[in-house]
Amino acid sequence: GAGVSQSPSNKVTEKGKDVELRCDPISGHTALYWYRQSLGQGLEFLIYFQGNSAPDKSGLPSDRFSAERTGGSVSTLTIQRTQQEDSAVYLCASSSPGRKAFFGQGTRLTVV
Amino acid sequence: GENVEQHPSTLSVQEGDSAVIKCTYSDSASNYFPWYKQELGKRPQLIIDIRSNVGEKKDQRIAVTLNKTAKHFSLHITETQPEDSAVYFCAASLTDSNYQLIWGAGTKLIIKP
Repeated sequence: GAGVSQSPSNKVTEKGKDVELRCDPISGHTALYWYRQSLGQGLEFLIYFQGNSAPDKSGLPSDRFSAERTGGSVSTLTIQRTQQEDSAVYLCASSSPGRKAFFGQGTRLTVV
Repeated sequence: GENVEQHPSTLSVQEGDSAVIKCTYSDSASNYFPWYKQELGKRPQLIIDIRSNVGEKKDQRIAVTLNKTAKHFSLHITETQPEDSAVYFCAASLTDSNYQLIWGAGTKLIIKP
């Protein structure tokens, strides 16, 4: 595609439900990142994929969070048993090695 | 692993003055340094980047300087305008085997009219 695409753009879910967030990176980009951003805050790193493997999962805040990437392309971030503190904008970015990263428009998650 | 520190966290300058944001990195092998601008409610977008074989790069009112010996790089914005108000993020990475981007915490730039 022309850019990094994330879906859904907005998600409202009830506390305790599971959610899946999807990221379609730019075709050919081997690096894929997930970040969380609360209002007015910086980029909180969650996980980094290089191809299908995740050499750095250090940012996942708890075992309720998991992510996978298949075929070196699409990635899914899953949050189980959502809590109100999970409410934030979830950003995905992709890049080629040593090249600039492009961000998706983000998924705004609201847990009520 | 790499660690990137960014200062200041907030910067307020008068319109027309210059703004400078600094980042330091820990891994001397890092060789790619991009800067991103994030306007309110929007995604971060690349504004300028530099590689370690270059000491300075300019694009109109924006410039980035790199000091490899001291392991720091800076973003310079001259003749600031209201539309420069945003959060700016720096990052560092390698360009070979492990090319994960490591980010600074961000600088909120406020341009006062």
